[in-house]
Amino acid sequence: EVQVVESGGGLVKPGGSLRLSCAASGFTFNNAWMSWVRQAPGKGLEWVGRIKTKTDGGTTDYAAPVKGRFTISRDDSKNTLYLQMNSLQTEDTAVYYCTTLNGVPLNDYWGQGTLVTVSS
Amino acid sequence: DVVMTQSPLSLPVTLGQPASISCRSSQSLVYSDGNIYLNWFQQRPGQSPRRLIYMVSNRDSGVPDRFSGSGSGTDFTLKISRVEAEDVGVYYCMEATHWPPYTFGQGTKLEIK
Repeated sequence: EVQVVESGGGLVKPGGSLRLSCAASGFTFNNAWMSWVRQAPGKGLEWVGRIKTKTDGGTTDYAAPVKGRFTISRDDSKNTLYLQMNSLQTEDTAVYYCTTLNGVPLNDYWGQGTLVTVSS
Repeated sequence: DVVMTQSPLSLPVTLGQPASISCRSSQSLVYSDGNIYLNWFQQRPGQSPRRLIYMVSNRDSGVPDRFSGSGSGTDFTLKISRVEAEDVGVYYCMEATHWPPYTFGQGTKLEIK
């Protein structure tokens, strides 16, 4: 059974930092390009960033609003994806989803999301 | 970046009737390999998104055949042949041709009339 479980969300003050984790099981994690997608309260889906597999170079790409503030990393030995968020702003308040988001005939898995609230 | 524009944004439908959602991209989604990487997602109330369709018209495993996708170039459509109560939610198109970034449409909220 596939499981994707995010953790680490919570309340943080503007300018603060938070690290999200995503524990994956039931599929070959080290073969999957992994993304973070967020959804502000009552709003639509926004892609945050993606990390490729080590085989494909392990490189990362980020959406413009988070570039330079957020960092995605992975630990294939633990089947875990991370999102380090620094210099958080109120606009970063959202549910953050971990996903194998892709556009090809590969399975598409999503976690249940973790809520990050940035507020003073 | 590509802009994805969905219409309508709200879609009231009678149970058993068909529904159609349009998605238009600001530029062609044909990739250099000749394929079009256009996905459709469903997000039921209180749930995570779920992919329904990839590469314009291919249904994911477990997706009922009342869902179908079509389109080419810059114009795409998701159709539900007969709406059921479990189809209530928000539907998003997403292009994966011109990544990064992956770009979603604004979402279309389907409700039962």
